[in-house]
Amino acid sequence: EPEVTQTPSHQVTQMGQEVILRCVPISNHLYFYWYRQILGQKVEFLVSFYNNEISEKSEIFDDQFSVERPDGSNFTLKIRSTKLEDSAMYFCASSSNTYQPQHFGDGTRLSIL
Amino acid sequence: ELKVEQNPLFLSMQEGKNYTIYCNYSTTSDRLYWYRQDPGKSLESLFVLLSNGAVKQEGRLMASLDTKARLSTLHITAAVHDLSATYFCAVTGTGNMLTFGGGTRLMVKP
Repeated sequence: EPEVTQTPSHQVTQMGQEVILRCVPISNHLYFYWYRQILGQKVEFLVSFYNNEISEKSEIFDDQFSVERPDGSNFTLKIRSTKLEDSAMYFCASSSNTYQPQHFGDGTRLSIL
Repeated sequence: ELKVEQNPLFLSMQEGKNYTIYCNYSTTSDRLYWYRQDPGKSLESLFVLLSNGAVKQEGRLMASLDTKARLSTLHITAAVHDLSATYFCAVTGTGNMLTFGGGTRLMVKP
């Protein structure tokens, strides 16, 4: 069964550094998403992406965050200057249309020191 | 602002017992999803509920949706240890973003 793949599985970064999280969505999916889950808390929406542009973003997704689809397969989340509170599990998801379930990757655990 | 609340937050039950998890949401939505998450793992899609009165069943799990009451239930029949996990409901608002409930951590004891 096709799946969403994310790399790296764990990223440790010094506060203030830039980090890029990578995702390969399911190949025939058109909608892409990033979510995060702080340890022990609920899953929170960050951003959705369709047709090469952001379609929705949450209050969490401020100017420090950006997304990009640099080629036909990858979907990236960049955090420009990381803060301690950015430490979380970041999940990428994709869906074929707006009614089908979003399929989640295994996540990248981001630890900011 | 769309809010999604689940209860209970934690559920410890014996194998063979039945129980129901509740998911309430605050504004109109036409899509409700149930996901399962094992510790340290990703979210696995269980059910998609798209209309009032929708009922979906898979094995020992059955999900239903009442859009008028803004309520979905996930019913567990004759629980087994393998069902131990955290279960999330998630609702879409005006767009495609999922708003998740706080999760119900289910522990099934032998």
